[in-house]
Amino acid sequence: QVHLVQSGAEVRKPGASVKVSCEAAGYTLSDYYMHWVRQAPGQGLEWMGWINPNNGGIKYSQKFQGRITMTRDTSISTAYMELSSLTSDDTAVYFCARARDIVASGPFYGMDVWGQGTTVTVS
Amino acid sequence: DIQMTQSPSSLSASAGDRVSITCRASQTINNYLHWYQQSPGKAPKLLIYSASRLQSGVPSRFSGSGSGTNFTLTISSLQPEDFATFYCQQTYDTPHTFGQGTNLDIK
Repeated sequence: QVHLVQSGAEVRKPGASVKVSCEAAGYTLSDYYMHWVRQAPGQGLEWMGWINPNNGGIKYSQKFQGRITMTRDTSISTAYMELSSLTSDDTAVYFCARARDIVASGPFYGMDVWGQGTTVTVS
Repeated sequence: DIQMTQSPSSLSASAGDRVSITCRASQTINNYLHWYQQSPGKAPKLLIYSASRLQSGVPSRFSGSGSGTNFTLTISSLQPEDFATFYCQQTYDTPHTFGQGTNLDIK
């Protein structure tokens, strides 16, 4: 069964960093792009970026450029998203989500498998 | 950035109703448009990809149409489990922006 398991809730002080993990189960991490999406309390969805776990290629939303880092460790089937210089505006649920189609097709066809979400509170 | 505008922002309907939600892009996005359903406290669920393709396992009462800048999600006969928030998303260009969401609740 294909699923994504994210790390647990985090609380950080303003100015700190947070690193969220996302373990892929039931499929090979390298075979599909991984997106990261966040949702502030009571708000909509915000796309943050993607990583190609096959070669480490990344694309970040310009909004987060300079303080976001996406990485992966294929040996343990895990993708990571680290966000630095946190402010209260970064308080949100952070989701990893697998691109629908295999990596050769690109990250363009929606996200079909989602993690359970990781709540990050900055206070 | 490409702006995605959904309408309406909220909608009240009854089980059995046919409802439609529209999504307009600020520039052409071909058919790189996807629809998600999100229930409170849950992760989003992919319903429709590439504007009109039904994701595996999604009931056939959901359908999508459109291309270019104007898109529609239709639910042919609402079921109790369909009441949720719906989002469109474009993946034509980065950032892959979402619409603001449409909250569908029970009348």
